[in-house]
Amino acid sequence: DGGITQSPKYLFRKEGQNVTLSCEQNLNHDAMYWYRQDPGQGLRLIYYSQIVNDFQKGDIAEGYSVSREKKESFPLTVTSAQKNPTAFYLCASTGRANYGYTFGSGTRLTVV
Amino acid sequence: GIQVEQSPPDLILQEGANSTLRCNFSDSVNNLQWFHQNPWGQLINLFYIPSGTKQNGRLSATTVATERYSLLYISSSQTTDSGVYFCAVDTGAGGFKTIFGAGTRLFVKA
Repeated sequence: DGGITQSPKYLFRKEGQNVTLSCEQNLNHDAMYWYRQDPGQGLRLIYYSQIVNDFQKGDIAEGYSVSREKKESFPLTVTSAQKNPTAFYLCASTGRANYGYTFGSGTRLTVV
Repeated sequence: GIQVEQSPPDLILQEGANSTLRCNFSDSVNNLQWFHQNPWGQLINLFYIPSGTKQNGRLSATTVATERYSLLYISSSQTTDSGVYFCAVDTGAGGFKTIFGAGTRLFVKA
């Protein structure tokens, strides 16, 4: 079955540490997105990529980095510059026609 | 930028009851989507509905783009309907301009 796989499901980060969240899709979708969700809040866009080797900042890109070396993969790195990284991170993709998002199951990141 | 407001923010229903969730948006949009986020965080696209009415089982949605609102109807609610319902609008070409509302939190009691 086609879909989006995010890993890990839970991640703990120490202060000052960089961590990378994985997002893989087998839907042959062109565009991929990373969203952050804080408790009781909606989704805020971190980064998006419309094609391989190209990506753009969203509304809250500071302290995050991404790469898009393959169509199927869009990893997100949460750097030590992100001062409040504890949140739920969701990866999504859309096809060329953009008829709607497909979301992964999310990664819950906690700073310890 | 465009504002997306959802109401009510919280809703408690007895199983079997019907409900209507509302999404208002402050400017013209290219399209609108409704999502359900289950208690485990998984987001599922319910409807892609820039205008008109669509139905899928016990759920239906209506968007009146000229009046800048959309409604999501849930009939004969079930406990599995619990979770958060998000409205999201696209303001330009491509999903990267999608703006999400804050959501309506629904709890259906058995």
